Amino acid sequence: AQSVTQLGSHVSVSEGALVLLRCNYSSSVPPYLFWYVQYPNQGLQLLLKYTSAATLVKGINGFEAEFKKSETSFHLTKPSAHMSDAAEYFCAVSRGSQGNLIFGKGTKLSVKP
Amino acid sequence: KAGVTQTPRYLIKTRGQQVTLSCSPISGHRSVSWYQQTPGQGLQFLFEYFSETQRNKGNFPGRFSGRQFSNSRSEMNVSTLELGDSALYLCASSFNPLGGQTEAFFGQGTRLTVV
Repeated sequence: AQSVTQLGSHVSVSEGALVLLRCNYSSSVPPYLFWYVQYPNQGLQLLLKYTSAATLVKGINGFEAEFKKSETSFHLTKPSAHMSDAAEYFCAVSRGSQGNLIFGKGTKLSVKP
Repeated sequence: KAGVTQTPRYLIKTRGQQVTLSCSPISGHRSVSWYQQTPGQGLQFLFEYFSETQRNKGNFPGRFSGRQFSNSRSEMNVSTLELGDSALYLCASSFNPLGGQTEAFFGQGTRLTVV
């Protein structure tokens, strides 16, 4: 069975500091991996996705993630945090043609001025 | 290109009632999935429809059902509402041809409160 673990339900950084949100997955088949962001009372917006092309994936708003098969990880990073990055971030995994995503519990990011 | 539209945005229902939520996917998208989001359980998959057929189903009781129409619009229904059904219900659409995985685009959700 597939699963996703996000380490840290809350992460707080200062504006301008590095953002690192951790995600580990378990999957018996090569996975498709995604990071989504959710602002209060909103739906989910795709930040980036990994679909076995390049291991370093660049997304929107300056975010990127690196797929490491040996560590079964797909951590999300951003070199310099901005106040507008404050939101909840979800890592998700899916299998092939099946449409469902399996989400991690989410990490709430706070950005201090 | 219009995004995924969910109606209504907010809903208050009484325990025991039933409710129907609607989702209009992005034009051209044939896959519609539904998710329930609660503070305790997080985001949980309900079911997926593709070309009017339920292709995948999560682990929810039979009170939760759905359907998809020929224009790919989808509805989900919850019967005999319980207090625990209070949640944000999210719909996602994707192109998702067989054998491939494309990203899912989410609507803003329907906030259901059961009192």
